[in-house]
Amino acid sequence: SAVISQKPSRDICQRGTSLTIQCQVDSQVTMMFWYRQQPGQSLTLIATANQGSEATYESGFVIDKFPISRPNLTFSTLTVSNLSPEDSSIYLCSAGDSRYEQYFGPGTRLTVT
Amino acid sequence: TQLLEQSPQFLSIQEGENLTVYCNSSSVFSSLQWYRQEPGEGPVLLVTVVTGGEVKKLKRLTFQFGDARKDSSLHITAAQPGDTGLYLCAGDNTGNQFYFGTGTSLTVIP
Repeated sequence: SAVISQKPSRDICQRGTSLTIQCQVDSQVTMMFWYRQQPGQSLTLIATANQGSEATYESGFVIDKFPISRPNLTFSTLTVSNLSPEDSSIYLCSAGDSRYEQYFGPGTRLTVT
Repeated sequence: TQLLEQSPQFLSIQEGENLTVYCNSSSVFSSLQWYRQEPGEGPVLLVTVVTGGEVKKLKRLTFQFGDARKDSSLHITAAQPGDTGLYLCAGDNTGNQFYFGTGTSLTVIP
């Protein structure tokens, strides 16, 4: 198993600004993912963070809006750029050695005003 | 298009009752996972089913993968308040696309 921590746990940001979320894993993992979730609803995969190369984005998500870094096997960041109220959501990081066994962080609750 | 439909969407039951949550798809899945998420936390993996017809038990929870690998169910016996949470199925289809299901919010009333 792996323990995932995220920072910040929550933030309130103004329209037009950006927020960077950090995800730290307590051990080296092969795969790291970023998800978005509305409270009480399902998860939508934003992208797979690849170590040392560009992230792989899902349909509907682009690098300019959601730049992702993964400098090593235990750390990744997601930036949500040019914020609008529609970006208000919970952002979750997960990690694991495959998609079939993911360990999730507690999430970052973002509110855009 | 939501490839993994869960039912019911919401479920509120009394402590001690039994319940079943369903996860259905028109696509064949290589495997399916079930997660439980409590408020303010990330989802926690409960089980992975891989073989059509497979049944796995985790204490009072029984998971089944359909014979055709297009559906799965989660049955909880004698539900307890600690079972309250959002239950999510997830998996990848034969096109290597990975999805989470629509979710079932369970409330167990003491």
